[in-house]
This record gives sequence, structure tokens and C-alpha cells, in this order.
Amino acid sequence: DAGVTQSPTHLIKTRGQQVTLRCSPISGHKSVSWYQQVLGQGPQFIFQYYEKEERGRGNFPDRFSARQFPNYSSELNVNALLLGDSALYLCASSLGWGTYGYTFGSGTRLTVV
Amino acid sequence: KNEVEQSPQNLTAQEGEFITINCSYSVGISALHWLQQHPGGGIVSLFMLSSGKKKHGRLIATINIQEKHSSLHITASHPRDSAVYICAVSNTGNQFYFGTGTSLTVIP
Repeated sequence: DAGVTQSPTHLIKTRGQQVTLRCSPISGHKSVSWYQQVLGQGPQFIFQYYEKEERGRGNFPDRFSARQFPNYSSELNVNALLLGDSALYLCASSLGWGTYGYTFGSGTRLTVV
Repeated sequence: KNEVEQSPQNLTAQEGEFITINCSYSVGISALHWLQQHPGGGIVSLFMLSSGKKKHGRLIATINIQEKHSSLHITASHPRDSAVYICAVSNTGNQFYFGTGTSLTVIP
């Protein structure tokens, strides 16, 4: 059974560009969360989606947006990239919204130059 | 001040040693999570706790809700346990707060 899959695994973008990261949850999982992990720090919560609705948002600017599709996969979009957006972006899925176990993907490493 | 504090930040142990990593949090939580992150980034969820103690193989996690403190113990440590261990808490709004991690190196 496939785990949480994220694509692409690595990405290099230029300042000012836009990027879309993708996440496919474990089959049957309806909740997807996104996290940003800057080198040397713990992950920071960006968004959570459940049943295609945004259920939580961390302290990130409006340049960050996300959506969840009917098949429960999700995209994270970042506009007007800054050098400081360089990070590992992690996706996690869970069965529901609330105190459920989470399974993390391996992440997308974004480098902004 | 971070909502989740871990100690130590770095830990080196000899194979076979008993290891303890501590986590303190300052927010109300619905659950506490211990995560393991290997080089390259992939994160594995080890435990989710809301009370008491859980054991999985050589790993034991405890939580004291009154003291807002949790510990992760590794018995008979092995070089393959070398990784970053992250403590995270989630609240009823399902917002996560993460510690900065403890980097563990187990030397053969």
C-alpha cells in the first residue's frame, strides 16, 4: 500500500517565480496537512485540509495557498518566491480531522535562487 | 519562546546505552506526537499520546499532562536509531507546534 507521496522531490526556482507542490495521501485518508521545514529548524504548520475544506492555517503570508481535490490529493502553491522560502515542504495525511495518527511524506526540497 | 521545547539539542551515545529525550510544551493540547526524521527529510510518526505511556519495540514514550512534559526513551540503542527526533503537539483545532528536534548519533 503506497504511503504519502509528494512531487517533485527536488525543485529549484528563481526569486519571484511561482511553484506548485503536490501531495497524494494514503488511500482512505481524507485530511492533508502541509508543513515548512527550514534547515536546522522544526517543521512549521502551513495548512490543513479536510474534506476539501481548509480547517487550519498557520502564520504564513497570503503568497501561500493550497487546495484539496475530490480525490483528497492536495496542492500547495507559493507565489512571488523569496529566498527565505527555500525549505523542505512536508505533507502529512490522516484519516480525519482531530486526534488521528499522521503519516508524513518524504517532502519536496525547494531551493529558491 | 517556542511552544514546544526539546532537550538535548544534540546527543551522542554508545551502542547499547539507554537514551532519554525530553519535551516540554506550553500550550493546551489534544495530543503529543513523537516523530523520527532521517537525513533526506522523510518523517516517520513514532507515537501519538494523550495520556500515560506507550511502548513499541525498544521505544517508550510517556506524557505527564499536569506537568506538560513528555519523554521518549530508547532502550539498548543501536546505530540505526541515529536520526532527528521531533516532539510535536496538536490542539483541538488540529494546529501543530513542533520542537526543533534532537539530533541523536549512536556510535557502534
